[in-house]
Amino acid sequence: EIVMTQSPATLSVSPGERATLSCRASQSVSSNLAWYQQKPGQAPRLLIYGASTRATGIPARFSGSGSGTEFTLTISSLQSEDFAVYYCQQYNNWPSGITFGPGTKVDIK
Amino acid sequence: EVQLVESGGGLVQPGGSLRLSCAASGFTFSSYEMNWVRQAPGKGLEWVSYISSSGSTIYYADSVKGRFTISRDNAKNSLYLQMNSLRAEDTAVYYCARSSAATMGIFDYWGQGTLVTVSS
Repeated sequence: EIVMTQSPATLSVSPGERATLSCRASQSVSSNLAWYQQKPGQAPRLLIYGASTRATGIPARFSGSGSGTEFTLTISSLQSEDFAVYYCQQYNNWPSGITFGPGTKVDIK
Repeated sequence: EVQLVESGGGLVQPGGSLRLSCAASGFTFSSYEMNWVRQAPGKGLEWVSYISSSGSTIYYADSVKGRFTISRDNAKNSLYLQMNSLRAEDTAVYYCARSSAATMGIFDYWGQGTLVTVSS
């Protein structure tokens, strides 16, 4: 099983600042990496897939990068609605063996 | 508008059974692969099961294999998860999630979830 790790566990950021979240895979997943945002009491929402492609309707302040085992989600200027938990997910072994990272909580500094 | 609405969650004793349903609307259900993903209270996401658009191909996470059964009824636009031999560690919110047609392996729409609590 491919194990996903995320850092930091919690990121405290002021509105308008840049946030950089990291995700690492235990073995190469090529570019088969997605990011989801989850707010309290809500379902996850797809942000990024293919490591760097924004999903439909996702603002340009969200960007993804990386390949292989190291990935980054950047939020260029945090808005109030961006404070949430962010999960990375690898789908290199689709349809079986999908795994998620433990999440990074972005909260208000 | 794509909508996925789960139902069937509740409190069940260890060793018991429960059947979850997911009603889909706003898209051609029979053309999409579907999944169940769960989230234990205060924890992260765990993929549970996958079913192809026709229902002919199915996969399960090792943690539920042999105990859970995924199925679908394309005529009723519905997805199901039969959960048997439930354990305390199965306690979670269960989400129905649609697989993207364009990119295999990502979940582009999710339901609001239904809570399953396994406790005596």
